Amino acid sequence: EIVLTQSPATLSLSPGERATLSCRASQSVSSYLAWYQQKPGQAPRLLIYDTSNRATGIPARFSGSGSGTDFTLTISSLEPEDFAIYYCQQRSNPLTFGGGTKVEIK
Amino acid sequence: QVHLVQSGAEVKKPGASVTISCKASGYMFTSYTIQWVRQAPGQSLEWMGWINTGNGNTKYSQKFQGRVAITRDTSADTAYMELSSLTFEDTAVYYCARDRARYQVLSHWFDPWGQGTLVTVSS
Repeated sequence: EIVLTQSPATLSLSPGERATLSCRASQSVSSYLAWYQQKPGQAPRLLIYDTSNRATGIPARFSGSGSGTDFTLTISSLEPEDFAIYYCQQRSNPLTFGGGTKVEIK
Repeated sequence: QVHLVQSGAEVKKPGASVTISCKASGYMFTSYTIQWVRQAPGQSLEWMGWINTGNGNTKYSQKFQGRVAITRDTSADTAYMELSSLTFEDTAVYYCARDRARYQVLSHWFDPWGQGTLVTVSS
């Protein structure tokens, strides 16, 4: 099973700042990595798939990069609605998710 | 607009089974795989399995093999997930989600998701 480790666990930032979230895989997942956003009491929402492709309707301030075992989700300028928990996910069987990074208001 | 609407919250005793439904609308049900994921309170997400809604083929996480069954009713555009032999550790929100890829190609990216169904296992 591929283990995904996300860091930091919590990121305290102000609106307008840049957020950089990390996801490290225990073995290579090639470019097969996705990112989801989850707000309290809501289902997750797909942001990025295949490392760097934005899902439908996702703003351009969200971008993804990386390959192999190291991946990054960048939010270029935080909007108030971006404060949430972010999960990475890989698609080798069994599919696994990272532990999450909470982006909170500083 | 694509929607997945799940059945309501359940409270079950240890050893019981639970069945959750996931009704799809806004697209051709049999063109996309449905996946199931759960989230224990305060925890991350855990994949359970998927169903090819066209031919009914399924694949389950080894963790749940023998205890989970995913089915579908194409006449009702609905998928079901049954989990048996419930324990306290099965208390979680259960989500269905549509696979992103059309024609059952299987991308394993989940978009969109149902609203979630809370299952509480309590004696």
